[in-house]
Amino acid sequence: DAGVIQSPRHEVTEMGQEVTLRCKPISGHNSLFWYRQTMMRGLELLIYFNNNVPIDDSGMPEDRFSAKMPNASFSTLKIQPSEPRDSAVYFCASSPAKIGTKNIQYFGAGTRLSVL
Amino acid sequence: GDSVTQMEGPVTLSEEAFLTINCTYTATGYPSLFWYVQYPGEGLQLLLKATKADDKGSNKGFEATYRKETTSFHLEKGSVQVSDSAVYFCALTSYNTDKLIFGTGTRLQVFP
Repeated sequence: DAGVIQSPRHEVTEMGQEVTLRCKPISGHNSLFWYRQTMMRGLELLIYFNNNVPIDDSGMPEDRFSAKMPNASFSTLKIQPSEPRDSAVYFCASSPAKIGTKNIQYFGAGTRLSVL
Repeated sequence: GDSVTQMEGPVTLSEEAFLTINCTYTATGYPSLFWYVQYPGEGLQLLLKATKADDKGSNKGFEATYRKETTSFHLEKGSVQVSDSAVYFCALTSYNTDKLIFGTGTRLQVFP
């Protein structure tokens, strides 16, 4: 099993540009999570999906952030326009969980985003 | 709301020393408790878990016991190795959600 695959691993962009982060969850998993990790704020859950449907997006910082899951094997997190304060490591995780169960989350290696 | 509190790091130890990283939680209901580990440049991976009171999770020589009376889930290892150097996160999920609530992480540095 290849695990959760995120791309790109590193992204450097200029303020105002659109950034798209991609995630391929583990096959058969039906929950997908997007996290952001910074030194100041630690690990924050941005949004999660169950069966491709967004369940909780209360962690999405503002309208500049959007996430989609068009099918069970692909999700995107988009930032438009990007700002320097968006610089962070973004993690995707997937889980075989159904809502209300306690299954393990499997994390990708992350995308390190730098907005100049 | 639910929360997890971990001891501040970094924790610096010599190889073969005993490790304790404290974790306490606040939650309604009966949460499941987890320890995740993050090695440099990598994503988090599950180290161990416990789903009910008095359960002991263990893996790779690490142990943690779910203590409901003290709302704690302290991580211990009897003899650390240099390869254990990483950031350790305590986390919980509440009974009605799949969201993981993480502590701030504790960096462990083990020197030969």
